[in-house]
Order: sequence, then structure tokens, then C-alpha cells
Amino acid sequence: EAQVTQNPRYLITVTGKKLTVTCSQNMNHEYMSWYRQDPGLGLRQIYYSMNVEVTDKGDVPEGYKVSRKEKRNFPLILESPSPNQTSLYFCASSPPTSGRYEQYFGPGTRLTVT
Amino acid sequence: AQSVTQPDIHITVSEGASLELRCNYSYGATPYLFWYVQSPGQGLQLLLKYFSGDTLVQGIKGFEAEFKRSQSSFNLRKPSVHWSDAAEYFCAVNPGLSNAGGTSYGKLTFGQGTILTVHP
Repeated sequence: EAQVTQNPRYLITVTGKKLTVTCSQNMNHEYMSWYRQDPGLGLRQIYYSMNVEVTDKGDVPEGYKVSRKEKRNFPLILESPSPNQTSLYFCASSPPTSGRYEQYFGPGTRLTVT
Repeated sequence: AQSVTQPDIHITVSEGASLELRCNYSYGATPYLFWYVQSPGQGLQLLLKYFSGDTLVQGIKGFEAEFKRSQSSFNLRKPSVHWSDAAEYFCAVNPGLSNAGGTSYGKLTFGQGTILTVHP
């Protein structure tokens, strides 16, 4: 089944403890992206990747890192999480046909930082 | 910078009534436009998209949207709402080919979302 998977689905952590949220897609998509969703703000793009080893900042990249060493994986890294990073995070992927991004979303990861 | 505005945070309609969700964008060129739906506890699903051509686009689940360049709008419509349409709806914008290769080539900007409640 074609899908985007995220792990973990739920995570509670403490301030400053490094964490990684994994994202994997089995559709051979080149484009992948991370978003955070907060009430009243919609989804805001954190980082995106056009292909392996090619990443760029979205609208809210501060406090996050990403890497794209393989086409199928695009982990999101929080080196020193803070409470304002408590949010619902979505990973998405898309085949890059001239920028016509029909994005396929993962199920989401709910992160709480205390 | 591009922006997307959904003026209505919450809309309530009766089952069988018609629906229109508003979306306005701020961008110089004609961007690519999308509507996504998010059911409670779920990820987002693409309803429809506009790239070019016919300004009235059809999507899944009986939804349609009309692109109006003069109003910078891309409103979502459905003639008769079903109880299963209750969800949150997001409009989204991509800069499109006019900015191909630019730094915002891969960016997607979402509106704040509109929550739809359907009364029986």
C-alpha cells in the first residue's frame, strides 16, 4: 500500500532532550516536507526536500533540523526541544512534476514538550 | 511573501444545504491552488487542485472550486452537504512555474483552516 508513515505517533518529552521523528514513504517520491499544525494557524511548513541531499527552509525552520540521505526517509530532528514546539507534526511527500505538488500526508505525530 | 486567508474559522450548515468556503491568496503571479480536507484525527487529503485552464475545477466527494483571478480567490463549493463532510478544510498555495527554480519553488503555504459542522 502506498503510504507515508511517521513514528512515533505520540511523544511526550522534556525540554532540552534531543528527539527525532521519522518519516518514510514507499512511493519513490522525490519531494518531501514537514509541517506543524497549531490551532488557528493552519499548517506551517518547516523544511522541505526536493531530492536526496537537497533541503531548504520553509516558513518556520527555527529549532528544527532535517536530513535527506535516502529518497524514502526524511527525519525531523529537534536538537533541544522547547515547550513552544508542542504541536501536531505532519510529513508529506509528492512526485515533483513541474512543481504541481499533490502532497500525500502521513498520519501525524503529536508532540508534547514539558 | 505569499499568504493565504480563509476568512471563516467555523461554518455550520444543515445537511442538504449548499456550501461555500472562502479562500483568498496574496501573490503576484498565478499560483497553484489546492483544497485539502482533514477529518478528525486524520492526515490531510487532497480534494482538488488548480494549475491553469478552466477556472472551475472538479474534485472528489462532489466538491468544486472556482478560481477568480480578479478577486485572488479560490472558493470551495458543494451543492448539497452530507453529514460525512464535517471536517476541517484548508486552502493552500504553491508559487507555481513562475517561480520555478527560485528559493520558494518547493514551498506550500496553507490557510488557517475552516471547520465545517453539519447539522442533521
